[in-house]
Amino acid sequence: GAVVSQHPSRVICKSGTSVKIECRSLDFQATTMFWYRQFPKKSLMLMATSNEGSKATYEQGVEKDKFLINHASLTLSTLTVTSAHPEDSSFYICSARWTGGETEAFFGQGTRLTVV
Amino acid sequence: GDSVTQMEGPVTLSEEAFLTINCTYTATGYPSLFWYVQYPGEGLQLLLKATKADDKGSNKGFEATYRKETTSFHLEKGSVQVSDSAVYFCAPIPNNAGNMLTFGGGTRLMVKP
Repeated sequence: GAVVSQHPSRVICKSGTSVKIECRSLDFQATTMFWYRQFPKKSLMLMATSNEGSKATYEQGVEKDKFLINHASLTLSTLTVTSAHPEDSSFYICSARWTGGETEAFFGQGTRLTVV
Repeated sequence: GDSVTQMEGPVTLSEEAFLTINCTYTATGYPSLFWYVQYPGEGLQLLLKATKADDKGSNKGFEATYRKETTSFHLEKGSVQVSDSAVYFCAPIPNNAGNMLTFGGGTRLMVKP
């Protein structure tokens, strides 16, 4: 199957700093990628839909100025957590769907963010 | 909008027990149905899928049948192993690649030796 690579897998940062998470589709093009957040023992919550070449669409309650999303190419989307705080500590997962027609969604391996 | 109701966990079973995790959904149109698995500390992996009514998806001993009449996609395995301990997510996925996925709440399975 297609591969989505997410980097880094783990990151620890200090409060007030920013962290960038990359999501790459390695062998297919994805005009749309999705960013999810997972709280401990909870399901995935969609944060935003990332569209190549345009602004991301954020879900209600997600601060777009805090979670900056850039989808600069058909194979790369980035999520930047700005001015991180301990409550931003979570597991972030991206997914992409092949625009060629397959319905399956491919997921990155996730990024565990810890803000200290 | 689309929604998924998934059996709440945790589900604790002994090795070789029979597993059923229920999943029902509401969706506009005719989605494909997926089960994803998340092992501890990892991201999601596709477990199995079914793209049309009465299709049965299967993988690693797990099975699920697309039941359009009951809008269900229950996951089953005849004999679970300790290595099956993970969180399982049910997800109907629209056929439009731009549409987001809707996940069930996830069911944590714990298999004891």
